[in-house]
Amino acid sequence: DGGITQSPKYLFRKEGQNVTLSCEQNLNHDAMYWYRQDPGQGLRLIYYSQIVNDFQKGDIAEGYSVSREKKESFPLTVTSAQKNPTAFYLCASSTGLGGDTQYFGPGTRLTVL
Amino acid sequence: AQSVTQPDIHITVSEGASLELRCNYSYGATPYLFWYVQSPGQGLQLLLKYFSGDTLVQGIKGFEAEFKRSQSSFNLRKPSVHWSDAAEYFCAVARGANNLFFGTGTRLTVIP
Repeated sequence: DGGITQSPKYLFRKEGQNVTLSCEQNLNHDAMYWYRQDPGQGLRLIYYSQIVNDFQKGDIAEGYSVSREKKESFPLTVTSAQKNPTAFYLCASSTGLGGDTQYFGPGTRLTVL
Repeated sequence: AQSVTQPDIHITVSEGASLELRCNYSYGATPYLFWYVQSPGQGLQLLLKYFSGDTLVQGIKGFEAEFKRSQSSFNLRKPSVHWSDAAEYFCAVARGANNLFFGTGTRLTVIP
């Protein structure tokens, strides 16, 4: 079955540690996205990538980093510079064509202790 | 700048009643508009989308939405709500490079 996988589903880290969230897709999509979700704030775009080896900052990129070395993978690193990292993180992908549907993974809930 | 407003944070309806969730957008050109649904702790699933053409769009699970340019609205409707429809609903507008700008969501509670 084609889809998007995110791992792990729950992640706990100590304050000051970097942590990397995994996102893999087998939909052969060119574009991939990372969103952060907080209660009452909807989804906010962190980073997106339209093609391998290229990515752009979204609305709230500070304290985050990404890489896109393979078409299938778009890992997100939450660095110690992110002031409030506890949130639900969602990865998505699409063909990249204008207005195309974005398909979402099941999400990773990150809790920083 | 593009924006999406969902004025209702939480709506409660009885099972079998009709439903309308409001969405207002701000966008210079003809927008690409989407409605997604999210069950607790899960990812988002697309219900329907509007690109152009017929302003009444049919989606999955019996949902429909109507694009009204004069009111800058894209409200989601369902004639008879089922208990399984309880979830959070997000309206979104596509902007440059196919990014989505999401509203803050409306949580739907269905009572028996």
